[in-house]
Amino acid sequence: EVQLVESGGGLVQPGGSLKLSCVASGFIFSDSTLHWVRQASGKGLEWVGRIRNKVQGYATAYGASVKGRFTVSRDDSENVAYLQMNSLETADTAVYYCARLRSRSSTWGFDVWGQGTTVIVSS
Amino acid sequence: QSALTQPASVSGSPGQSVTISCTGTSSDVGAYNYVSWYQQHPGKAPKLIIYDVSNRPSGVSYRFSGSKSGNTASLTISGLQAEDEADYYCSSYTTSSTGVFGGGTKLTVL
Repeated sequence: EVQLVESGGGLVQPGGSLKLSCVASGFIFSDSTLHWVRQASGKGLEWVGRIRNKVQGYATAYGASVKGRFTVSRDDSENVAYLQMNSLETADTAVYYCARLRSRSSTWGFDVWGQGTTVIVSS
Repeated sequence: QSALTQPASVSGSPGQSVTISCTGTSSDVGAYNYVSWYQQHPGKAPKLIIYDVSNRPSGVSYRFSGSKSGNTASLTISGLQAEDEADYYCSSYTTSSTGVFGGGTKLTVL
């Protein structure tokens, strides 16, 4: 079964750090581009960032609201992607999803999503 | 990168068709044919229903169709069914090599 499973969410104080994991199974993880998307309670989806595959130089990109604070990485040997979140703010409170870009070729669509992990930033 | 603009809500009766618009700029929706749509039921992860403007993934009903004109993309749902009641989000690739989502549209089946 093709799936993504996030973990690592929890309660953290403003200014703190947290590292989320996204473990993949059922497909060739090393070929894929992985994205992170978040959703605050009762709000819409927000694109957070992405990491491309080795052939594409593991290139990363980030949304404006997290750039400079969040870092996406991956370990293809373990089929896992990470989202390192530093200098957390209350506005970062959300459910965080990892999602797979549907194809290695030029496309835009996330066809596999994890179940999400909840991050709460509060004192 | 500002969020794409979607209507907050739309509604329709069973069997009818509804269209949800998604307006961006020449830096996102208008730049490429890289627009996707997602359906999200309460408490669930989003589900891909349209990719690359008008393509349906395997297993998605033919009742869902997508199109684009200029800086505006559209999702049409025909033959509305009760199970279609959900939140719908558009997303686009941008000229900055980032992604952006719309604010979401709540579809109510009357």
